[in-house]
Formats: sequence, C-alpha cells, structure tokens
Amino acid sequence: DQQVKQNSPSLSVQEGRISILNCDYTNSMFDYFLWYKKYPAEGPTFLISISSIKDKNEDGRFTVFLNKSAKHLSLHIVPSQPGDSAVYFCAASVLYNNNDMRFGAGTRLTVKP
Amino acid sequence: NAGVTQTPKFQVLKTGQSMTLQCAQDMNHNSMYWYRQDPGMGLRLIYYSASEGTTDKGEVPNGYNVSRLNKREFSLRLESAAPSQTSVYFCASSPLLGSEQFFGPGTRLTVL
Repeated sequence: DQQVKQNSPSLSVQEGRISILNCDYTNSMFDYFLWYKKYPAEGPTFLISISSIKDKNEDGRFTVFLNKSAKHLSLHIVPSQPGDSAVYFCAASVLYNNNDMRFGAGTRLTVKP
Repeated sequence: NAGVTQTPKFQVLKTGQSMTLQCAQDMNHNSMYWYRQDPGMGLRLIYYSASEGTTDKGEVPNGYNVSRLNKREFSLRLESAAPSQTSVYFCASSPLLGSEQFFGPGTRLTVL
C-alpha cells in the first residue's frame, strides 16, 4: 500500500522561476514529513522537514508547506537553479516511534538555464 | 567524517549465490536501515536496527537477513539471490527513529 504518493514523475521549470513539488499521504498517524534530494549514482540527502504542529518551514530557497486536513505537503524552490535538477523524494514518519518512514516514488525536477 | 559508507558499489550475482552488503557509519547514530530502490518506486525498507543489539523487519524483508555487528556497522545478507532482488540498495542511519536519515552512496546489485 502506497501511503505516500508523488503523482508527478517529472517537472521541468525555467531557471529563476518557482518549482513546486507535491506529495500526498494517507496515514493520519504520520507526524513528521521530510524532503530528500537525490543526484544520479548518489544516495538521497536530507533537504528539509516539517513537524505536524507547523504548517510551514523555510530554509533559504526551500519552503515546505503542510496541509494536514488535505493530507498534502508541497516543496517550493524559489528561485530555481540548474543545480537543483535532481530527483526529490517526499517521506513521512511517526517521530520517535518504531520505524514507519515511508517514501514517495520521487519527482524528477529539471531546471533549464 | 565519511558519513555512511557502503561496499561494494556494484555486484553481479548468479541466481542462488549468496553475498553480504556492508555498511558503516561514523556519526554515532543509534538507528540504521537498509532500503531497496526499484524503478518507479520509492525507497522500501528491508530491515532496520533501532539500536545496537536489535533488528526488526521492514516492509520487504523476505529473502534477506541482517546483522548489527556493533553501533557502527549493519550488514545485509542475501542467502540465495534471486533475479527479483536486482535493485539498488541503500544503507542509512539516523540519531533517532523517524528522524532525518543519512544515506550511503548505494550498491547496485544485478542477479542473473
């Protein structure tokens, strides 16, 4: 059962514009949400996270928004840069619990110069 | 600090052969994980170890065994490899269960 879904396999944006990556989840027990970035032939690297007690978290050009009622989160990258081109995975977990982190299938972002 | 290291980077096996994937972390993390990544799918958890001396099954444990050798090392063993185990395997560690995880570079395994 896919508890975390990223419905867009790919996204292409122009350099300098906003990139918006979306993620939906089904398990209402999840209380911690994360985004990871993955370059080819490398492991995923942690990008940004948000706790369920917040609805927004910012870190430089990256902002994650959480809509608990809709069970939806999104990652905004502003402005997008060519170096942001990568696969982005959304993940959700129950913090401090036995491991229940589930990953989405990923969205490949391409930022064109 | 090397972070999370994995060996080997690539491996080709024949059906029925066995092998062990090695993983080590130098961040003093308590929890360690093994995932597999297949095309069109997210990372799926095979096994995890919440702390030294404990291991638990994840989402897709069949065909695998693990050993948490000490706090640093967590190995994954395929006793009798099958073509369905062709995948990219990632090891990860985290300071706490459910918190952000730090991943190794992966092992690309092909089973013929």
